[in-house]
Parts: sequence; structure tokens; C-alpha cells
Amino acid sequence: EVQLVESGGGLVQPGGSLRLSCAASGITVSSNLMTWVRQAPGKGLEWVSLIYSDGYTYYTDSVKGRFTISRHDSRNTLYLQMNSLRPEDTAVYYCAGAINSGWTFDCWGQGTLVTVSS
Amino acid sequence: EVVLTQSPATLSLSPGEGATLSCRASQSVDNYLAWYQQKPGQAPRLLIYDASKRATGVPARFSGSGSGTDFTLTIRSLEPEDFAVYHCQQRGNWPFTFGPGTKVDI
Repeated sequence: EVQLVESGGGLVQPGGSLRLSCAASGITVSSNLMTWVRQAPGKGLEWVSLIYSDGYTYYTDSVKGRFTISRHDSRNTLYLQMNSLRPEDTAVYYCAGAINSGWTFDCWGQGTLVTVSS
Repeated sequence: EVVLTQSPATLSLSPGEGATLSCRASQSVDNYLAWYQQKPGQAPRLLIYDASKRATGVPARFSGSGSGTDFTLTIRSLEPEDFAVYHCQQRGNWPFTFGPGTKVDI
């Protein structure tokens, strides 16, 4: 069974940092297109970043220079390092993988809540 | 950035009725359009990808159509578990974008 489990969310002050983790089982993170998507409270879904199997990365404009997506192959884990956090980064962060549906994300974690507030 | 517009914002229906949801893109995304279902407190679930392909395990009552800028998700005969928010998403251009969602409620 394919499973993605996020961790690392919590309350952080503006300007602070957090690192989110997404531990995978049943799939190999390094062999699949993986992504982070966020959802602010009561709002829609927003793409944050993705990483291809060859290591190529993309970021949405609002997080460029502040967030970094990476993976640890031996731990089979995806990460999102978030620096210089702002209140508008407050959201549930989901990791997802494109496993069996072309390059569309068909496997999602349960999400981890990040709250940026003083 | 490709802007996706979904209509209607809310669709009030009863179990057994059919539902037709629309998603329009601000520019062509070829057939790189997906539909997700999301229930409160849950992660999105992929229903349809590449405009018309059903994801693994998705019931046949869900179908997708369209290409270019106009897409439709059809739910034939709503089941109680189908009442949720439906998001469209394009991967034709980066940044990938989502629509604002259509809520299907009773």
C-alpha cells in the first residue's frame, strides 16, 4: 500500500523557519514526480513546489528564495525547508506523488498544519 | 499563469440526481486537466486526469470531457458520499494551478 505521512508542522513566529517531512512507503520518492501543495484555512488549493525524478525543481513565485524542496533517497523522504515565514504562509501543507496517473498527483498525505503568528 | 474558473460555485442537488461541473482555463492547457474531490478535513482525491481518464478505483459514474480551455466533470446519479468540493487543476503550464472549487451539497 502506498502511503505518504507528513510531519513537522506547528506554530512559528513571522520570520521563522520550519522543515516539513513527508515519509513515503510503497513508492520510491526519488523515482517519482513529487510535490507540496498548501491550503489556507477555508481557502482553495495552491501549488507550492515540485521535484522531478531527475532533481529539477519548480517553485511558485510567492515562495521563491524562501522555500526549498529536497529529498533524502536512503530515507525515502521528501522535505520542504521553509524560511522567512510570513502569516500568509499559514496553511495545511500536503505532499503528493504522481504514481499511476501520468504526471498527475494520485497519492496524497494527510497534511500538516503550519501556523505563522506572533 | 493559467487561471481556472469553475462554475457554478455551489450546486445543490439530491442523491440520485446528475451533476455537471464546469472548468474553464484562461488559455489552452491541451488535455492536461485533472479533477479532484475533497471532503472536509481530508486530502484531495484524484478522480480524473488528462481530461477524461479515470484514476484507479474511481467509480464509473464519474466522467470527464473537454480539451483546450473548456472542461466538464459529470457525475451520473449522485451517491451520498459524492457530496464534497470538486477542484479542477491544470498541468499544461507552470505554475500548475487549481480552480477555486465547486461545492456539491444537498
